[in-house]
Amino acid sequence: GAVVSQHPSRVICKSGTSVKIECRSLDFQATTMFWYRQFPKQSLMLMATSNEGSKATYEQGVEKDKFLINHASLTLSTLTVTSAHPEDSSFYICSARPQPGTEIHEQYFGPGTRLTVT
Amino acid sequence: GQNIDQPTEMTATEGAIVQINCTYQTSGFNGLFWYQQHAGEAPTFLSYNVLDGLEEKGRFSSFLSRSKGYSYLLLKELQMKDSASYLCAVQSGGYQKVTFGTGTKLQVIP
Repeated sequence: GAVVSQHPSRVICKSGTSVKIECRSLDFQATTMFWYRQFPKQSLMLMATSNEGSKATYEQGVEKDKFLINHASLTLSTLTVTSAHPEDSSFYICSARPQPGTEIHEQYFGPGTRLTVT
Repeated sequence: GQNIDQPTEMTATEGAIVQINCTYQTSGFNGLFWYQQHAGEAPTFLSYNVLDGLEEKGRFSSFLSRSKGYSYLLLKELQMKDSASYLCAVQSGGYQKVTFGTGTKLQVIP
C-alpha cells in the first residue's frame, strides 16, 4: 500500500525557535496533502490543505504566518512552526492524496510528529 | 461550517457487538470515513461510504444515510485489541478535505 513518512517523529525545541516538519509520499505522487493537529484526548483538527505549486488553504483560526506550509513537489510538503510556544506542543499529522485518476477518496496518513516546546 | 457529532466514550464486552453513531451537517458532502486510532499513533483507515447503505468488511461494517446526515460503525465479535478511539470523518468540498469528528473512545472489557 501507499506509504507516507514524516520527519522527525519527535522533536523538542525551545520557545521562540522554529521547527520544520516534513511529509513525504514515498511510492506515489500527491497532488494534495493535508496537515492536522491533535491535542491530547482530542480529535484531529485540520489546519490546512496544501496543493503542489500553489498556496496552502488554511482553516479558520489557523495563523498562516505562524504555520508556514510549502508543497514544493508532488512528494514533499513541509510545515514550519515559527516562533514556537509551549501551547504549540501537539501531535502533527499529515495525510496525502494521490494524483487524480485514482480513487478520489484515497488518503494516506503519515505516522505523526510529536512536537514539544519547552 | 461543519458539525460532526459522536459519543465521547463507550464500553462494551469482549465478544459482543457495538454500534458507534455519527451525525453530521455539511455542505458539499463527498463521502464519510471511519478511522481507528490507538493512543499516540496516526489513524488507520477502516471504511469509506459515499452511497446510502451498509458496507461490510469482516468484523466491521459501516452504514450511511445521506438524507439523515447519519452514519454508524458496527463492530462485531469484539476483541480486547479493538479498544481504541474511532473517528468519524466527512469529506467535502472541491479539495476533498476531510474533517474529523470528536472521536469515540471505545473500551472493551473482559
